[in-house]
Amino acid sequence: LAKTTQPISMDSYEGQEVNITCSHNNIATNDYITWYQQFPSQGPRFIIQGYKTKVTNEVASLFIPADRKSSTLSLPRVSLSDTAVYYCLVGDPISSGSARQLTFGSGTQLTVLP
Amino acid sequence: SQTIHQWPATLVQPVGSPLSLECTVEGTSNPNLYWYRQAAGRGLQLLFYSVGIGQISSEVPQNLSASRPQDRQFILSSKKLLLSDSGFYLCATASDSYNEKLFFGSGTQLSVL
Repeated sequence: LAKTTQPISMDSYEGQEVNITCSHNNIATNDYITWYQQFPSQGPRFIIQGYKTKVTNEVASLFIPADRKSSTLSLPRVSLSDTAVYYCLVGDPISSGSARQLTFGSGTQLTVLP
Repeated sequence: SQTIHQWPATLVQPVGSPLSLECTVEGTSNPNLYWYRQAAGRGLQLLFYSVGIGQISSEVPQNLSASRPQDRQFILSSKKLLLSDSGFYLCATASDSYNEKLFFGSGTQLSVL
C-alpha cells in the first residue's frame, strides 16, 4: 500500500500559481495518482489524475517525474475560492482489490489570501 | 453520470443509541462502494468498502458495521454509538471505467452526545 506525504499547510495570494507536492516513494507499477479538493462540510471532489509525465485539464496540471515517486499539483492563478484541503491519492484503478488502496493521507490545507 | 444520495445531512444521537446511515447510488451498476469518516480537522479514514452485494471489507475494527443489501445501496450501522463515533461520514463510489475516480456524497455530520 503506497503511502503519501504532503505538506500540512500552504499559504498563497490571489493570482499566484500554487504548487503542492506529494511524495509516494512506494508507488506500485499499476498505481495512478489522483488529486482531490475538499471544502468544509463537503465530500472531496476529483481534480485531476495521471500516471506519468504531465496531465492538464481546465482546472489544474499534474506533473509526475520519471521515477513517479512524487507528483506536483499545479493550480494556476488561484483565487480565494481555491482555499480548501487538497489530497493526493495513490491507487491501482484496474485490479479487483483496488478498493483497499483508495486511502487518503492527511492532505494539504491551502489558504489563499487577498 | 453518477449520483450519490446520502442522508441525513445532520444527525445528533445520544451515546448508546443505534445508528443507520444510508447511501444509494444512481447512474452506475456494480460499483465499488466506500464509507469514510472524517473527524473534525482531520483527514479521511476509510471504514468499509464493498465490491458487490453482501461483500463487505472492514479497514478499521470498531463498533460500526456495514451492509450492502442491494447493488447500489450501502448502509452504515451501529448498535450502540460511542462519543468517538462523532464525525463527518461520507459515502463514495468508484467508477468502473479504466481511470477510476471516487465520487462522494454530500456527507452526514454525526454528533454523539
